[in-house]
Amino acid sequence: QKEVEQDPGPLSVPEGAIVSLNCTYSNSAFQYFMWYRQYSRKGPELLMYTYSSGNKEDGRFTAQVDKSSKYISLFIRDSQPSDSATYLCAMSVPNTGNQFYFGTGTSLTVIP
Amino acid sequence: SQTIHQWPATLVQPVGSPLSLECTVEGTSNPNLYWYRQAAGRGLQLLFYSVGIGQISSEVPQNLSASRPQDRQFILSSKKLLLSDSGFYLCAWKPPTSGGSTDTQYFGPGTRLTVL
Repeated sequence: QKEVEQDPGPLSVPEGAIVSLNCTYSNSAFQYFMWYRQYSRKGPELLMYTYSSGNKEDGRFTAQVDKSSKYISLFIRDSQPSDSATYLCAMSVPNTGNQFYFGTGTSLTVIP
Repeated sequence: SQTIHQWPATLVQPVGSPLSLECTVEGTSNPNLYWYRQAAGRGLQLLFYSVGIGQISSEVPQNLSASRPQDRQFILSSKKLLLSDSGFYLCAWKPPTSGGSTDTQYFGPGTRLTVL
């Protein structure tokens, strides 16, 4: 079983839709949870970062962590064509320093 | 603010040729540094990480090597490239592990390597 599972998609939505991206994980020691956005042929860009459980909102983006279910989500409201990218989830155990666990990424296309 | 650079951006090399990819970070001291390879549809594979000058840990046995000659410089090398070395190589940095530091990685723009 992989440490982190992420549906690869592809996911295609109309402009203005609410998008839900999800990852599940198996290691209950994970405490830091991240979402990265990666445009084609570019490096991943940190989008959201949360520690432990709960929600975090930044503009149109909301990151949600449910540690009891080992499930994290990224919601994008009022999706725009510029949101078309691959979204990677990542997580780590505190103070281990070096090991980050990534999902394989979900490809999102927002259709104008 | 911190900035991470990688070069070259694109590289086409014949099988059996050597490789040198460079990564530098600005605006921080004593970062943890990482090399990843990203193959199409396969996610990120950690290749090497470093917590300090001259300190390199390898995650995957292969014909690649890494060096950290300076605090903010990380180099990925190979003496003889294989076809299977083709991919998108990403360098990343993280603040040094200490109380209060965020456990978050920041990636460079990447180098796309094609081995023919």
